[in-house]
Amino acid sequence: DTAVSQTPKYLVTQMGNDKSIKCEQNLGHDTMYWYKQDSKKFLKIMFSYNNKELIINETVPNRFSPKSPDKAHLNLHINSLELGDSAVYFCASSQNSATNEKLFFGSGTQLSVL
Amino acid sequence: EDQVTQSPEALRLQEGESSSLNCSYTVSGLRGLFWYRQDPGKGPEFLFTLYSAGEEKEKERLKATLTKKESFLHITAPKPEDSATYLCAVRGTSYDKVIFGPGTSLSVIP
Repeated sequence: DTAVSQTPKYLVTQMGNDKSIKCEQNLGHDTMYWYKQDSKKFLKIMFSYNNKELIINETVPNRFSPKSPDKAHLNLHINSLELGDSAVYFCASSQNSATNEKLFFGSGTQLSVL
Repeated sequence: EDQVTQSPEALRLQEGESSSLNCSYTVSGLRGLFWYRQDPGKGPEFLFTLYSAGEEKEKERLKATLTKKESFLHITAPKPEDSATYLCAVRGTSYDKVIFGPGTSLSVIP
């Protein structure tokens, strides 16, 4: 069983389109995250949710909107995609926000905006 | 500003040739330093957490150490399957997020 699963694995789309990435964790964790990994391999946090509540919201364009229907799911919707949005997006989870050091990552979604 | 740097950017070793990866950090109060391994096309996989200077953790051929300004990941007699990118990350006392370094890409040649 995959602990943190995200779909799709690859996403190729045109500029201006709207797309979503889904994430689910079956670890019973309270906290979930979205990270962006750029071409230089830097992993930067975008959002964090704890029990469906937004707790971290980095300086991310408003075009990015996370949604957590329950604590096992955290989806990422991106409006009006731009070339600079091309990157690998990772979903992650941890037991809770107080002990968020041990992160469990999904396998990533490689987004290519043409 | 809190930050993490890693060196070298890339490292190529012969199988059995031991070496160390460096992680230097600047943080206002360290709450934890973490090492992750990332294989191509996969998400990072947790390896170690270190909390205070002088602490050491070991797992198979890997040993992580921590000082007040840096951490080392020592790789003893590496094998080709140790080839991966190794990421260092820190969490400070003033914020809830984990900050990652750029990673060291390790290649172990048979």
